[in-house]
Amino acid sequence: DAGVTQSPTHLIKTRGQQVTLRCSPKSGHDTVSWYQQALGQGPQFIFQYYEEEERQRGNFPDRFSGHQFPNYSSELNVNALLLGDSALYLCASSLVVVLDSAVPYNEQFFGPGTRLTVL
Amino acid sequence: GQQVMQIPQYQHVQEGEDFTTYCNSSTTLSNIQWYKQRPGGHPVFLIQLVKSGEVKKQKRLTFQFGEAKKNSSLHITATQTTDVGTYFCAGASNNDMRFGAGTRLTVKP
Repeated sequence: DAGVTQSPTHLIKTRGQQVTLRCSPKSGHDTVSWYQQALGQGPQFIFQYYEEEERQRGNFPDRFSGHQFPNYSSELNVNALLLGDSALYLCASSLVVVLDSAVPYNEQFFGPGTRLTVL
Repeated sequence: GQQVMQIPQYQHVQEGEDFTTYCNSSTTLSNIQWYKQRPGGHPVFLIQLVKSGEVKKQKRLTFQFGEAKKNSSLHITATQTTDVGTYFCAGASNNDMRFGAGTRLTVKP
C-alpha cells in the first residue's frame, strides 16, 4: 500500500515561469491538501480538494491554483513565480470521518514534498 | 485572522530529561493536531484532540487540550535520541487549519 507520493522531488525555475507539482494520495483517501513550508517555518495551508473541487483555501494569491482528478490525484500550479515562492511544497491526503462530536477526524498523511527553488 | 503561536522555538535537552512544547491560538479551536517532522523529512501525524480539557497519552507522549480550546501542550517524558525533530501543532477553526512555527527538539546522548 503506497503512501502519498509527489513529483518531482526537486525543481529549479526562474522568476516569471510557471510550475506544476503532482501528488498521488494514499490509497483509499479522497481529500488532498497542499501546503507551502518555508525553511524553518511550519506548513502554510494553500488549499484543499475534495470531489474534484476546491473546498477550502488559505491566504494565497490566485497565482496558486490546483486541480483534482477523478482518481483523487492532484496538481498544484503556480504562475508568475517569485523568489519568495521558493519552499518545500507538501501534499497531504486524508479520508475525513465525522466523529460523534460532529467534529471531522482528519488524520493527514504527508508526502515527501517537492523542493522548489526560484532563481 | 486565526493565529497559532508555539513556544519555545528551540529546546535542547539531555537524554532522559523531559520536554514540553506549548501551543496557543488567538481563536477558539474545533480541534488541534500534533505532528512530528524529522530533519529532512515530512510532517507525520501524531494525534488529534477534540474535546475541551482532553488528555491523551501515547507511550511517553502526553497531549493536552485546554479547557477553553485555545491552547494545547505536548509533553515527552524521559526523552530519547529518537525524539529528535520539530514538533508542530495545527489548530483548526472555521474550516481553516493553521500550523504553529514548531518547536525544534535536540537531544544530547
